Amino acid sequence: GESVGLHLPTLSVQEGDNSIINCAYSNSASDYFIWYKQESGKGPQFIIDIRSNMDKRQGQRVTVLLNKTVKHLSLQIAATQPGDSAVYFCAENIAGGTSYGKLTFGQGTILTVHP
Amino acid sequence: DAGVTQSPTHLIKTRGQQVTLRCSPISGHKSVSWYQQVLGQGPQFIFQYYEKEERGRGNFPDRFSARQFPNYSSELNVNALLLGDSALYLCASSLLWTSGGYNEQFFGPGTRLTVL
Repeated sequence: GESVGLHLPTLSVQEGDNSIINCAYSNSASDYFIWYKQESGKGPQFIIDIRSNMDKRQGQRVTVLLNKTVKHLSLQIAATQPGDSAVYFCAENIAGGTSYGKLTFGQGTILTVHP
Repeated sequence: DAGVTQSPTHLIKTRGQQVTLRCSPISGHKSVSWYQQVLGQGPQFIFQYYEKEERGRGNFPDRFSARQFPNYSSELNVNALLLGDSALYLCASSLLWTSGGYNEQFFGPGTRLTVL
């Protein structure tokens, strides 16, 4: 797994602004990607996923963009609300075949939304 | 519907002791995975079980073991605890044993283990 320090990247935004959280993934063979939100004292909560045969997927107020050329994933949150404040993780997986459900998580980004 | 449940919520142990953590998956889910989350980092994969068989193992020492019961609940055991084992231990359940598509993994709230 990744070895990172205690200082996670942080993003501070005002309520109503759009937020963009970035993630660089490590395995070029990964073909399934997920964004999770983790609030203090809770387990990760699924936000949105995307397969490698897509470069964009939209959900409710969220959009995930995938750039396989540079192994980069981003999460866009529209009209960010105070309830969006949390740590956001990207995770990668090799889906299908004889693989299993192992998720490899990225470093995480702390999002703080100010009213 | 109940989500993934884990017990206990918090646990304090001393070095050298052994610990057992428990997980109940969402009803109907047959796959359970365990992750370790050290403070300030993302979760790291420990094990996956599906239909009571180990399907995957992460880069953890043999002190870590797990099993899955006929009702699909699972236990994670850690022997000879070290200070570095202090972490949040997360359990995730899913319908199938592979990810992808809409086979979402649902996480429980975790067990906070502190080793003194």
